Amino acid sequence: GAGVSQSPSNKVTEKGKDVELRCDPISGHTALYWYRQSLGQGLEFLIYFQGNSAPDKSGLPSDRFSAERTGGSVSTLTIQRTQQEDSAVYLCASSLQGDGEQYFGPGTRLTVT
Amino acid sequence: AQSVTQLDSQVPVFEEAPVELRCNYSSSVSVYLFWYVQYPNQGLQLLLKYLSGSTLVKGINGFEAEFNKSQTSFHLRKPSVHISDTAEYFCAVSDNDYKLSFGAGTTVTVRA
Repeated sequence: GAGVSQSPSNKVTEKGKDVELRCDPISGHTALYWYRQSLGQGLEFLIYFQGNSAPDKSGLPSDRFSAERTGGSVSTLTIQRTQQEDSAVYLCASSLQGDGEQYFGPGTRLTVT
Repeated sequence: AQSVTQLDSQVPVFEEAPVELRCNYSSSVSVYLFWYVQYPNQGLQLLLKYLSGSTLVKGINGFEAEFNKSQTSFHLRKPSVHISDTAEYFCAVSDNDYKLSFGAGTTVTVRA
């Protein structure tokens, strides 16, 4: 079956613009996660969804970052007023409820100029 | 929060030689442990995981890892590497079954 997909694969945006990153999890996976991979910080947890609710948003770096999930499936990560330090690869993962094995998508490479 | 230390940032190794990648984590409470691999320009792929039970865990592509609770370590090994094992390897820990804390990664370069 299909794995986790993310779009776009690459996004270049100007500082100050808003961007939306999309994640389609594996069908049937109730848990969804966003991580960020950057040169200076490595791989960082951003947010966790169980169904449509986000019980853990502790990794979101600022209030410019938000995420939602609708229908227990697709998730969108939105970054408002992008800054150069937001440049990174944003990874999405999904898993069956509570089993600990997360399947990762290929990521979206965001470059803020 | 968990912290994960991967002791080697770069590991060069010759083809067919053994390799060991070291990983230590911060907490002695019950944890779940994982190794992921990232091939060039690809996403993360799970190599193996320890949730409970036997401390020696076997994964894909001939890799194995041993959980040592007293030393809070989860080192990854392969007895004979191939060129195709060239990749970045990440150790990850979770103490709550969802949030993964990753190490900084170890880049393995296999040479002929």
